[in-house]
Amino acid sequence: NAGVTQTPKFQVLKTGQSMTLQCAQDMNHNSMYWYRQDPGMGLRLIYYSASEGTTDKGEVPNGYNVSRLNKREFSLRLESAAPSQTSVYFCASSLQGVDTEAFFGQGTRLTVV
Amino acid sequence: TQLLEQSPQFLSIQEGENLTVYCNSSSVFSSLQWYRQEPGEGPVLLVTVVTGGEVKKLKRLTFQFGDARKDSSLHITAAQPGDTGLYLCAGDNYGQNFVFGPGTRLSVLP
Repeated sequence: NAGVTQTPKFQVLKTGQSMTLQCAQDMNHNSMYWYRQDPGMGLRLIYYSASEGTTDKGEVPNGYNVSRLNKREFSLRLESAAPSQTSVYFCASSLQGVDTEAFFGQGTRLTVV
Repeated sequence: TQLLEQSPQFLSIQEGENLTVYCNSSSVFSSLQWYRQEPGEGPVLLVTVVTGGEVKKLKRLTFQFGDARKDSSLHITAAQPGDTGLYLCAGDNYGQNFVFGPGTRLSVLP
């Protein structure tokens, strides 16, 4: 049972470098999400995608872009990494509709130096 | 901005003790959920509460949803070291996305 798979698990970037975080789910879910988790701040929504071909900004979208490549894959791109983007990033997916469950990947720990 | 607050932020107790953690919202969500997260892992759903006043039990865990559907509590009876983790409440934003609280970090000492 793969569920939600994120790559890479760890990454160190220099300020100004770019990278893409990959996420794939095999549960046929329509909705996918990117969150960042920082100490004492819980999970903050960066972007979400309600269905293939649509994306919407969440609470903290600045400095990020996303692509919903197909139903399975939702990637998060940092064009020019900043130290403030040091965080743990989680991808999640869910069925569309109310009162559903979010399934999370194992996270990507990103450090920007 | 929809906000969820959780209290306490940290809790350290001895095995066998009871505890309650709280989640309060400034908004009404279609449902509230409780997740548990262990180090190095993503959150995993424990329960969803939908109806005001609802009480759900999951073994030693009891979840309650306030009548106004803006607050929830999680009560653990006879805590065990295996209950250690980060407990997150989340509001289902009417099917659009999930809003998470900052979490309560629980440590149960043997």
